[in-house]
Amino acid sequence: DQQVKQNSPSLSVQEGRISILNCDYTNSMFDYFLWYKKYPAEGPTFLISISSIKDKNEDGRFTVFLNKSAKHLSLHIVPSQPGDSAVYFCAATQDTYSGAGSYQLTFGKGTKLSVIP
Amino acid sequence: KAGVTQTPRYLIKTRGQQVTLSCSPISGHRSVSWYQQTPGQGLQFLFEYFSETQRNKGNFPGRFSGRQFSNSRSEMNVSTLELGDSALYLCASSKPGTGPYNEQFFGPGTRLTVL
Repeated sequence: DQQVKQNSPSLSVQEGRISILNCDYTNSMFDYFLWYKKYPAEGPTFLISISSIKDKNEDGRFTVFLNKSAKHLSLHIVPSQPGDSAVYFCAATQDTYSGAGSYQLTFGKGTKLSVIP
Repeated sequence: KAGVTQTPRYLIKTRGQQVTLSCSPISGHRSVSWYQQTPGQGLQFLFEYFSETQRNKGNFPGRFSGRQFSNSRSEMNVSTLELGDSALYLCASSKPGTGPYNEQFFGPGTRLTVL
């Protein structure tokens, strides 16, 4: 059973507009959420994260929103740029060894974002 | 600062063979995690090592194993390869910090093809 779901396999957006990528999760034990970006032939790169005690986290053009009651998070990219074209993975985790920095990430299957110039 | 390196980058094997993949974490990082990426299942957690000990294990059969050396380098081994093991195998390292969540830095992956 997939615990993290990204229901849109692909998304196309015009340059300069907003990109909204969505993610749903089922495991209520998850308390930390991350977004990774992946270019072909490269490993995923960390983008932004959010703890379950917050409902929003912003970093430059990237903002992540968390709705715990709906078990839903979204990544907003404003404005979208052609260099943002990549596969975006949503990931979730829970603290396994408190304070010891150990956790396993549960990933969604990714959304391929294409930003059209 | 050098990133996470994985060798080899590409590998072709036949069913029934075994394979060993290698991962060198970022200097100072003591935790190494392995993930399998396939088109159908996405990225799935295999296991995590810290100080030469396996701390977490995903839902994979015993044919998948790993180890970590005293210098934090890690290897994963897959025995009796099956066609379904064809995937991109990603290694990620992280540095234990003051909190429970530490950013994982991923390597470029090893693309394994089983014929």
